Amino acid sequence: GAVVSQHPSRVICKSGTSVKIECRSLDFQATTMFWYRQFPKKSLMLMATSNEGSKATYEQGVEKDKFLINHASLTLSTLTVTSAHPEDSSFYICSALREASYNEQFFGPGTRLTVL
Amino acid sequence: GENVEQHPSTLSVQEGDSAVIKCTYSDSASNYFPWYKQELGKRPQLIIDIRSNVGEKKDQRIAVTLNKTAKHFSLHITETQPEDSAVYFCAAYTNDYKLSFGAGTTVTVRA
Repeated sequence: GAVVSQHPSRVICKSGTSVKIECRSLDFQATTMFWYRQFPKKSLMLMATSNEGSKATYEQGVEKDKFLINHASLTLSTLTVTSAHPEDSSFYICSALREASYNEQFFGPGTRLTVL
Repeated sequence: GENVEQHPSTLSVQEGDSAVIKCTYSDSASNYFPWYKQELGKRPQLIIDIRSNVGEKKDQRIAVTLNKTAKHFSLHITETQPEDSAVYFCAAYTNDYKLSFGAGTTVTVRA
């Protein structure tokens, strides 16, 4: 099956710092990746669609200057949480769209962000 | 946009019994309906999916049914086992490949 990795798996940072999360498709190329946020005991909420070679598209209510997305290659998308605050603490999950698999989304293992 | 509703929010079943989770969706253009199982702190895992040109799909103890007219789809787990305990999410998407998730169902299988 298709494999998607995320790094780091856990990160603890101080308020005001920026944190970068990487999402990689290891064995397939992904023109499109997605970033989700999940609060405890809640569902996954789509934050943005990451498009290789072009700007990300953000869902309503998601600040693009707060959550910077870069999709510089067909196997890597990054999410940078800028000037993180405690309310940004959450589980961030990426997924990569695999066209050869009827456009199924393959999820990364997630990144637990804790902002002190 | 798509709105997916999921019921029940929690479900407790005796081992060996069946579990049924139901979802409705709002966008008639939705054409792909996956179901995910998520354990605490882990990624969602696809357990079964169905496309709009099919009414039912089965994979061992798991089955999914789709009623396009009524815009609802259901997950059926038979002969439940303790390892089936997890949170289950239904989802739907249209041609833009954005997944809209249901709120989730916490399934507990009692031994």
